[in-house]
Amino acid sequence: EAQVTQNPRYLITVTGKKLTVTCSQNMNHEYMSWYRQDPGLGLRQIYYSMNVEVTDKGDVPEGYKVSRKEKRNFPLILESPSPNQTSLYFCASSLIRSLGVGEQYFGPGTRLTVT
Amino acid sequence: EDKVVQSPLSLVVHEGDTVTLNCSYEVTNFRSLLWYKQEKKAPTFLFMLTSSGIEKKSGRLSSILDKKELFSILNITATQTGDSAIYLCAVGYNNNDMRFGAGTRLTVKP
Repeated sequence: EAQVTQNPRYLITVTGKKLTVTCSQNMNHEYMSWYRQDPGLGLRQIYYSMNVEVTDKGDVPEGYKVSRKEKRNFPLILESPSPNQTSLYFCASSLIRSLGVGEQYFGPGTRLTVT
Repeated sequence: EDKVVQSPLSLVVHEGDTVTLNCSYEVTNFRSLLWYKQEKKAPTFLFMLTSSGIEKKSGRLSSILDKKELFSILNITATQTGDSAIYLCAVGYNNNDMRFGAGTRLTVKP
């Protein structure tokens, strides 16, 4: 089954404790992206990647890191989480079409709470 | 600044009504506009629009893009309670940038 998986689905942590949220897709998509979703703000892009070893900042990259060592995996790293990073996080992947990024397939989401 | 604005932010209708959701945008080097539906989980893809005036249709849902006036509409006819969701508009621009609007929360009452 074609899918995007994220782990963990729920995480409660404390300020400053490094964490990683994993993301994996089995569709051989070139494009992968991370978003955070907060009430009233829609989805805001954190980082995206066009292919292996190619990553770019989105609209809200501060406090986050990513890596793309393999095509299928795109982990999100919070080196020193803070309470303002409490949010619902989505990973997504897509083919790259002639007119840019196509329809994105989203993972199930990770609800992160930082106390 | 690049932006995507959806309206209304919230809408309550009764089953059988027809609704129109709006998405306007101001971005550099527009490439595509996409609509997604989000229920209590991850967004799912509805339509991708790249050309003006060509309607995309799927059942009771349809969408059209106006690249001159910089907006798109999503129509839902004969609404059902299962249409209750947040509808998200996203615009692809420049090389591969993607920006989402804040979404429209649609509630369909029996």
